[in-house]
Amino acid sequence: DQQVKQNSPSLSVQEGRISILNCDYTNSMFDYFLWYKKYPAEGPTFLISISSIKDKNEDGRFTVFLNKSAKHLSLHIVPSQPGDSAVYFCAASPRIGNQFYFGTGTSLTVIP
Amino acid sequence: ETGVTQTPRHLVMGMTNKKSLKCEQHLGHNAMYWYKQSAKKPLELMFVYNFKEQTENNSVPSRFSPECPNSSHLFLHLHTLQPEDSALYLCASSQDVRGGSVTDTQYFGPGTRLTVL
Repeated sequence: DQQVKQNSPSLSVQEGRISILNCDYTNSMFDYFLWYKKYPAEGPTFLISISSIKDKNEDGRFTVFLNKSAKHLSLHIVPSQPGDSAVYFCAASPRIGNQFYFGTGTSLTVIP
Repeated sequence: ETGVTQTPRHLVMGMTNKKSLKCEQHLGHNAMYWYKQSAKKPLELMFVYNFKEQTENNSVPSRFSPECPNSSHLFLHLHTLQPEDSALYLCASSQDVRGGSVTDTQYFGPGTRLTVL
């Protein structure tokens, strides 16, 4: 049973606009969340993380929002650039333990 | 360049072959991981090593055999694989494995694309 879900397999956005990628999780023990970006023929690259003690973390054009009551997190990219076109994975880790649970990914296409 | 390298990048093998995948990390991390990524499925954790000791084996078939001679190197030995084992195999490392912490952030290699005929 998938504990981390990304229900949108793909997303297309115009350059300069906002991209919003969503992720839902089911396990209330998840305490630490990450977003990874993956280009074809490369491994996932760490993008941004958030701990459950926060509800927002910002790094340049990337902001991750965490809604613990809804068990939902989202990644906002503003403004979107063609180089942001990639597959984005969210992942979650429990408070104790060494396993990350990954979503299936959302393929983002930023149209010039 | 994430500091984690994997060789080979592509591998085609028959079901009776024996091959090995290699991973090396240059980040000074203590934990290393093997993941399998099949099409349209989430990354599946296979094995976790912390300070060279295996701490996790997610019910992986014995035809996959990991080896971690030191904190910087990780191998995945393959033998008598099945066509359904064809996938992208990713290695990752992290500073620690305590859970729920920034030290858990994993850094991935580029992966080995494995095809079993």
